[in-house]
Amino acid sequence: GENVEQHPSTLSVQEGDSAVIKCTYSDSASNYFPWYKQELGKRPQLIIDIRSNVGEKKDQRIAVTLNKTAKHFSLHITETQPEDSAVYFCAASLKTSYDKVIFGPGTSLSVIP
Amino acid sequence: KAGVTQTPRYLIKTRGQQVTLSCSPISGHRSVSWYQQTPGQGLQFLFEYFSETQRNKGNFPGRFSGRQFSNSRSEMNVSTLELGDSALYLCASSPGTSGTLSYEQYFGPGTRLTVT
Repeated sequence: GENVEQHPSTLSVQEGDSAVIKCTYSDSASNYFPWYKQELGKRPQLIIDIRSNVGEKKDQRIAVTLNKTAKHFSLHITETQPEDSAVYFCAASLKTSYDKVIFGPGTSLSVIP
Repeated sequence: KAGVTQTPRYLIKTRGQQVTLSCSPISGHRSVSWYQQTPGQGLQFLFEYFSETQRNKGNFPGRFSGRQFSNSRSEMNVSTLELGDSALYLCASSPGTSGTLSYEQYFGPGTRLTVT
């Protein structure tokens, strides 16, 4: 089955700096890669996603890149702000006739003002 | 549209008891997935239901079961509770069918289960 690894487990950056979180997946058939942000005491919320036919996707300060050959994908946050502090989860799934989303273990991001 | 709702929000049970958790998806969503979240294990996939059928199952023992009703509401049941079952149980809904937006999952607030 699918296995997703995520690094680093914790990340601390100065406000205004960039943050990068990297994930690898094992199942080459996976074709959908969402990223979720979970603030303390709240539910995970989808922040960006990418499908296997796209190499990069941006949404304001957030971008995700996908390398299918190497089976890894990354989240890039530029100009970080204190409100970006949260746990970020990457995930991989095979979207055919069912939903089975496998999550990485999470990265706790702290943005220091 | 109203978001995904889960009841109850908090639950305290003792070992050996059973528990039933409920999830109401976003209107029009037909797929409901369940996850167990613990500090050490992150988000673990339990199972996914679509049109009252379990389409996918994670690696959890048979004590964990679920079902889905014709209105897409879903319940999960845990029998013979163990201390290690203490966790936040999250459900997520998605359209579940092909289409541009069909991949997105929306999470409920979760049910915090404590087993003593």
